[in-house]
Amino acid sequence: AQSVTQPDIHITVSEGASLELRCNYSYGATPYLFWYVQSPGQGLQLLLKYFSGDTLVQGIKGFEAEFKRSQSSFNLRKPSVHWSDAAEYFCAVGAGEYGNKLVFGAGTILRVKS
Amino acid sequence: DAGVIQSPRHEVTEMGQEVTLRCKPISGHDYLFWYRQTMMRGLELLIYFNNNVPIDDSGMPEDRFSAKMPNASFSTLKIQPSEPRDSAVYFCASSLWPTGASSYNEQFFGPGTRLTVL
Repeated sequence: AQSVTQPDIHITVSEGASLELRCNYSYGATPYLFWYVQSPGQGLQLLLKYFSGDTLVQGIKGFEAEFKRSQSSFNLRKPSVHWSDAAEYFCAVGAGEYGNKLVFGAGTILRVKS
Repeated sequence: DAGVIQSPRHEVTEMGQEVTLRCKPISGHDYLFWYRQTMMRGLELLIYFNNNVPIDDSGMPEDRFSAKMPNASFSTLKIQPSEPRDSAVYFCASSLWPTGASSYNEQFFGPGTRLTVL
């Protein structure tokens, strides 16, 4: 069965510092991979997605992620964090038809220190 | 477009009562998804529809849960009877039909309904 592991429940970084959120997945075929962000009291917003091709994908808000098949990882990065990036981040793998069945990780809560 | 609309935003009910959550997807979208978010289990897909037809309901926890999509602009998730362990945030999401065999269209999430069952 598909699964996603986000090993860090909480991460705190200083504003302006770089960020890397870890994600490992388990999926038998070529995965559809996603990162979503959830601000408090809000729904989820898609940051970026990977299906195939270039393993480094760019997303919104200055985020990027790199797919590493050998490590079954899809880590999210941002070179310089802004206070508005404080939120909860979810990695997901898409299974089933067109990757519609999203299986989410437990999430990583990002706190930004000023 | 107004995005995915969910109602009510908050619902407090007593154990044993029937609860109905409502969702209006983005106009023109082909898929509709219902998710549940809890501290213990995280985000789980409950069921999804394609062109108003349920495709996969394997995530529906038990027979107390049912979902319908009578038309392209409306879906309901019903819990009858409700139990305290059903307390969660329920999200609805919608997306377009993929444009190719290897493509995927973004799921747009609503703001969620926070359900509390006492």
